[in-house]
Amino acid sequence: GQQLNQSPQSMFIQEGEDVSMNCTSSSIFNTWLWYKQDPGEGPVLLIALYKAGELTSNGRLTAQFGITRKDSFLNISASIPSDVGIYFCAGQAQGGSEKLVFGKGTKLTVNP
Amino acid sequence: DAGVTQSPTHLIKTRGQQVTLRCSPKSGHDTVSWYQQALGQGPQFIFQYYEEEERQRGNFPDRFSGHQFPNYSSELNVNALLLGDSALYLCASSTGFQETQYFGPGTRLLVL
Repeated sequence: GQQLNQSPQSMFIQEGEDVSMNCTSSSIFNTWLWYKQDPGEGPVLLIALYKAGELTSNGRLTAQFGITRKDSFLNISASIPSDVGIYFCAGQAQGGSEKLVFGKGTKLTVNP
Repeated sequence: DAGVTQSPTHLIKTRGQQVTLRCSPKSGHDTVSWYQQALGQGPQFIFQYYEEEERQRGNFPDRFSGHQFPNYSSELNVNALLLGDSALYLCASSTGFQETQYFGPGTRLLVL
């Protein structure tokens, strides 16, 4: 099935460091979303982006919707141990209930 | 306000058997989408139900079928199980075309 190209695949960082991950697609998406998944849980929505060029923050998280509508990035500032988990980008050709196309995820490990 | 709930949490089946997974959407949501997440991968869209009808379908064989009930809850049925059907099955709910999808905790299916 279709998947987005998400990188890096995994990251090992020290507590307090900043993190950056990105997602690219060969297709245009009109909505980009970032989810976090903890072991044994479903993905939890972190940030939703609806407009090309949009920059949105949620606490220590900041995400941007690329102006080409084919990419997005997520930054986490001053990482803490509870940031550990798998981060997924997802795109929608339309908004709302349109099917989500996911990346393979970025596994984040934070060393205290 | 209850979120998306799924049952059972875990399930073990043998090849050739049939399985039914259940999902109750978040209160106020009328659209249910199902995703399959293989180990180490991002979720893959299976299909979506709205007004008791399948509205969108991903690239999955006819062995995968579903149903939505008048109370908006939904079932995912998989017939003639294969080893490759072992995965986390996620349900997501939303409201029409207006809202982002919110995920349940998933059902972990193991096919032996």
